[in-house]
Amino acid sequence: GDSVTQMEGPVTLSEEAFLTINCTYTATGYPSLFWYVQYPGEGLQLLLKATKADDKGSNKGFEATYRKETTSFHLEKGSVQVSDSAVYFCALESGGTSYGKLTFGQGTILTVHP
Amino acid sequence: DAGVIQSPRHEVTEMGQEVTLRCKPISGHDYLFWYRQTMMRGLELLIYFNNNVPIDDSGMPEDRFSAKMPNASFSTLKIQPSEPRDSAVYFCASSYRQGLNEQFFGPGTRLTVL
Repeated sequence: GDSVTQMEGPVTLSEEAFLTINCTYTATGYPSLFWYVQYPGEGLQLLLKATKADDKGSNKGFEATYRKETTSFHLEKGSVQVSDSAVYFCALESGGTSYGKLTFGQGTILTVHP
Repeated sequence: DAGVIQSPRHEVTEMGQEVTLRCKPISGHDYLFWYRQTMMRGLELLIYFNNNVPIDDSGMPEDRFSAKMPNASFSTLKIQPSEPRDSAVYFCASSYRQGLNEQFFGPGTRLTVL
């Protein structure tokens, strides 16, 4: 079945550091890929998405590229801020009979210090 | 739009009691999801509906859990009887078929079963 694996956390960085959170997936067909973010005490919200191979999703300085050959969708940001401290979830939607259903990774806690 | 609305935001109950969680999806959305989040198990999909019809309830942990969606603007998740291991944050999310699978999450209900 479908699955998503994220790098182990927590990740602790200083402000303005470079961020990478690795995400790899297993799915049938050609899934759509997502990154969701959860700020403390809130529900998840969509950060960015990519629907086909080689697409790059971007939002708020975050980027991720859909790599079909390596089945990966790594999240990157060039310069993190304290306000980026949150939990980040990689997810996929494989369509077909599972249309609309997201499979989430386990989440990666990011803490950014001033 | 007010977003996905969940009630109550916090619920504390004793083992054996019935618990009912409520969700109002965003108007016009035709998919509704119930998730459970814990530190040990991460984010788990319990059940989801399309046009008020349950599509996949394979994530419902056992017969003590039930979910209904009597109309397009309301859903409930019921636990009877509740147990301490049911303590978690329960999220409701909604989406619409034409929305490229972005799920909009509610703020969650934090359930504590003593």
